[in-house]
Amino acid sequence: ETGVTQTPRHLVMGMTNKKSLKCEQHLGHNAMYWYKQSAKKPLELMFVYNFKEQTENNSVPSRFSPECPNSSHLFLHLHTLQPEDSALYLCASSQDRAGTDTQYFGPGTRLTVL
Amino acid sequence: GENVEQHPSTLSVQEGDSAVIKCTYSDSASNYFPWYKQELGKRPQLIIDIRSNVGEKKDQRIAVTLNKTAKHFSLHITETQPEDSAVYFCAARQNSGGSNYKLTFGKGTLLTVNP
Repeated sequence: ETGVTQTPRHLVMGMTNKKSLKCEQHLGHNAMYWYKQSAKKPLELMFVYNFKEQTENNSVPSRFSPECPNSSHLFLHLHTLQPEDSALYLCASSQDRAGTDTQYFGPGTRLTVL
Repeated sequence: GENVEQHPSTLSVQEGDSAVIKCTYSDSASNYFPWYKQELGKRPQLIIDIRSNVGEKKDQRIAVTLNKTAKHFSLHITETQPEDSAVYFCAARQNSGGSNYKLTFGKGTLLTVNP
């Protein structure tokens, strides 16, 4: 359960605030992911990093800015968010090559935008 | 891109009965299909997966079947127990370029096992 950690677990912010979500993986994986989970919607992939390089940006608004300084850490910087951005933000990691690609999820950050 | 449809969205069964959740996918190049279980307030956790070179895989009370021709795969839970109550997500993996892969998830099935 401690392979992928996320902080903070809960965050309430106003639309003019700037905050950051942090994810850390202790599994030696090379790929890391941000997902958004809203009520009654499938898990939405936001960003993928592989060996610190962004390989996927799933048409995410620029008010979400990811950062991956190394293969173990992933950040999601938030600014001027909207109430509809309120959701559970999940980080995941995997050893991203054929045959060993199981994704392990963190506990998520429950974000509320007022 | 890939599209994954999952049915039903909710499923209620009596303890001891079987539960079946079905998913279809659109990209014939998808080659890996995991199933995740997410209990209320917890993270999604992998419970079983299947690769495109296999038709069926079983792990105790859970099994997954894959029909590549029809592009559908199913999760089967036998002898259900109250602790099986959760949201179950199917997913399909595609190559997104080079050695990069991504998962597309279904919308989830809320399974309730009544004692």
